[in-house]
Amino acid sequence: QSVLTQPPSVSAAPGQKVTISCSGSSSNIGNNYVSWYRQLPGTAPKLLIYDNNQRPSGIPDRFSGSKSGTSATLGITGLQTGDEADYYCETWDSSLRAVLFGGGTKLTVL
Amino acid sequence: QVQLQESGPGLVKPSDTLSLTCAVSGYSIGSDYKWGWIRQPPGKGLEWIGTIYHSGTTYYNPSLKSRVTISLDTSKNQFSLKLSSVTAADTAVYYCARPRSSTVVNRFDYWGQGTLVTVSS
Repeated sequence: QSVLTQPPSVSAAPGQKVTISCSGSSSNIGNNYVSWYRQLPGTAPKLLIYDNNQRPSGIPDRFSGSKSGTSATLGITGLQTGDEADYYCETWDSSLRAVLFGGGTKLTVL
Repeated sequence: QVQLQESGPGLVKPSDTLSLTCAVSGYSIGSDYKWGWIRQPPGKGLEWIGTIYHSGTTYYNPSLKSRVTISLDTSKNQFSLKLSSVTAADTAVYYCARPRSSTVVNRFDYWGQGTLVTVSS
C-alpha cells in the first residue's frame, strides 16, 4: 500500500485528454515538489515532469503537471496509442526522510 | 552523456546477501550528485531503496534500512548495493539512477536499464 495514492487505471480515446491523480499528505506532496514518470513495458521509467510542472527537454507540451495542496495531477492531451504505459508520481517525504513513489496508474488508449 | 549500467548475480538464495554494482560513464561520481537505487517487483510498482551522496553520506528507505548498505567506489566510478537476509519478496528488477540536479535526491533523470534479481533456492 503506497503512501501516495494513484488510480490503478485510466483510459481514454486517441486524441482525447486524460488526467492522473496522485494524493498524499502534508509531509510529502503538501510540502515538496512532485515528479511524474512514464514506464513502457520492459523499460526503465522516464522522467516526464519535475518540480510539479516542469518538463525536461524533449518532453512534448502534451504532458503537463499541477499541484494543489496535498494532491498532484498529470495531464496528457492529444492521446496516442504510444502513450499506453504505466505512470508514477514521486516526491520526497519530509517526515519519513524517504523518496516515495505512487502505486502507479496504467493508461489505456482505447 | 551520462550512462548507468547495473550488474550482478541474477539469482540469489534466500537468507543470502544480494550484491549489485552500478557502473557510471560520462560523469565522475565523486564530483557531485546523489546516486540512487530503486527496485520494482514483477508486476508491481517502484520502490526507492536508498541514495548515496558523492561525499559518501547515505539515505535509506526506512522499511529496508536494517538490511541495506550503499557504497561508492570512486576509483572504479561505480556504486554498489548490498541487501542482506533476502527473501522471495526481494525478487525485483533493480535500477540505479541519478537525479537531474545535483542539489536534489529525487527527480531521477538518468536510469540504468535494470537487472532482474530472483531470490530462490
